[in-house]
Amino acid sequence: DSGVTQTPKHLITATGQRVTLRCSPRSGDLSVYWYQQSLDQGLQFLIQYYNGEERAKGNILERFSAQQFPDLHSELNLSSLELGDSALYFCASSVDNRAFTNTGELFFGEGSRLTVL
Amino acid sequence: DAKTTQPPSMDCAEGRAANLPCNHSTISGNEYVYWYRQIHSQGPQYIIHGLKNNETNEMASLIITEDRKSSTLILPHATLRDTAVYYCIVRVGSSGSARQLTFGSGTQLTVLP
Repeated sequence: DSGVTQTPKHLITATGQRVTLRCSPRSGDLSVYWYQQSLDQGLQFLIQYYNGEERAKGNILERFSAQQFPDLHSELNLSSLELGDSALYFCASSVDNRAFTNTGELFFGEGSRLTVL
Repeated sequence: DAKTTQPPSMDCAEGRAANLPCNHSTISGNEYVYWYRQIHSQGPQYIIHGLKNNETNEMASLIITEDRKSSTLILPHATLRDTAVYYCIVRVGSSGSARQLTFGSGTQLTVLP
């Protein structure tokens, strides 16, 4: 158990719909990362939030957005869903406290499997 | 971040050591080598990381060549539960920076009974 909690574990929806995936990071971790893993794309970095602010952006579509709340949990919003958005969505967290020189360790949740029909 | 090259697949007999190679010939002086693994459709799991010295923990050993252009992850006594995709990632490590990891294709390790 990594300590990172993702909900829901499974989600089935239709094209054009909107869904929200939720992530609770490990206690004390300030950074949250979102990754997408589809069969043909591997693990793709989407976005990172650090202590409520966007820190880095990867291959995230404009239809997707994320935020990190004051309690440090994060939500990934996926809208106007397409068949190609079907994938596993992973959240990861890390301390990223400036007091630490480096650990580099990201703790991943078990993912949310999204199926768009 | 430096690019890595890994064999797409490897087999290993149960109980034997699994040696997973990774080439990172363009690695910079401030880049670390990280290893993660992903057991089928589960979240990736951190294994080990290092800068230039060899490292060992309860899961594995990491051997980095002196010129740092390649490394080997060693699972000393592979079990069936070690069957997974293993990712070698090279990344700058420093506090406060964006710390996302870029995953490549990895090596599918299959431990055979």
